[in-house]
Amino acid sequence: KQEVTQIPAALSVPEGENLVLNCSFTDSAIYNLQWFRQDPGKGLTSLLLIQSSQREQTSGRLNASLDKSSGRSTLYIAASQPGDSATYLCAVRRASGGSYIPTFGRGTSLIVHP
Amino acid sequence: EPEVTQTPSHQVTQMGQEVILRCVPISNHLYFYWYRQILGQKVEFLVSFYNNEISEKSEIFDDQFSVERPDGSNFTLKIRSTKLEDSAMYFCASRATGGSNQPQHFGDGTRLSIL
Repeated sequence: KQEVTQIPAALSVPEGENLVLNCSFTDSAIYNLQWFRQDPGKGLTSLLLIQSSQREQTSGRLNASLDKSSGRSTLYIAASQPGDSATYLCAVRRASGGSYIPTFGRGTSLIVHP
Repeated sequence: EPEVTQTPSHQVTQMGQEVILRCVPISNHLYFYWYRQILGQKVEFLVSFYNNEISEKSEIFDDQFSVERPDGSNFTLKIRSTKLEDSAMYFCASRATGGSNQPQHFGDGTRLSIL
C-alpha cells in the first residue's frame, strides 16, 4: 500500500526566503506526482504535475523535482511571499494494476510572514 | 477562469438521514471525481466517473455511497444513511480529456456535519 509522507508538517519563514518542501512515497511504481496548494476553507489548486518519466517541472517561482528510485519529490519555492502562505499537498498516483487512485500526504502548512 | 462549484457549502444532517452533495463541473470536462477530507486528516479519494459510469472507487466508497450525473451539468454524491464518521469536507473535481496527466480542478468543498 502506498504511503506518502510530507516533511516538515509546518514551516514559518520570513518573506524572501527560498524554501524546500519534501514528499516521500514508499512505492516507486507511480504514474505521476502532483503538488497542490490548499488555502483555508478552500479546495485544492494544482501547482505542478510531474509525469513518472520526468525529473522536474517549473512554473514561475515553483520548481518540483522527482526521484522515483529514491521515492522522493521536492517542491522548491523561490523568494517566498506572504501570499504563498497555505498548506501544500503532495499526491502520488500509482501505476499498477490499471488503477490511478491518488494517495495524498498530510501536507506542509506554510506561513510566510512579512 | 471557469471553476467547479459545489453546493451547499455547509450541510448539517441527522445521523441516518440521506444527503446529496451537488457539484457543477467545468463545462467541457468529462472526468469527475469526489474526495473527502476528515478534519485534520489527509485528503482521500472516493470515486472517479466517466461516460456515465464509475471508473474507480476506493474502499471508502461502499454501498452507502452513490454518484450520478442527472443532467448535462450536475454531478452528485449521495450518502444513503449517514453515520457520524461521514462528517468531513467533500470535494468535487473535474478534468478535461487529454490523458490522466491533465490536472484536476477542485471545487471549494461542502462541509458535511452529521449530528
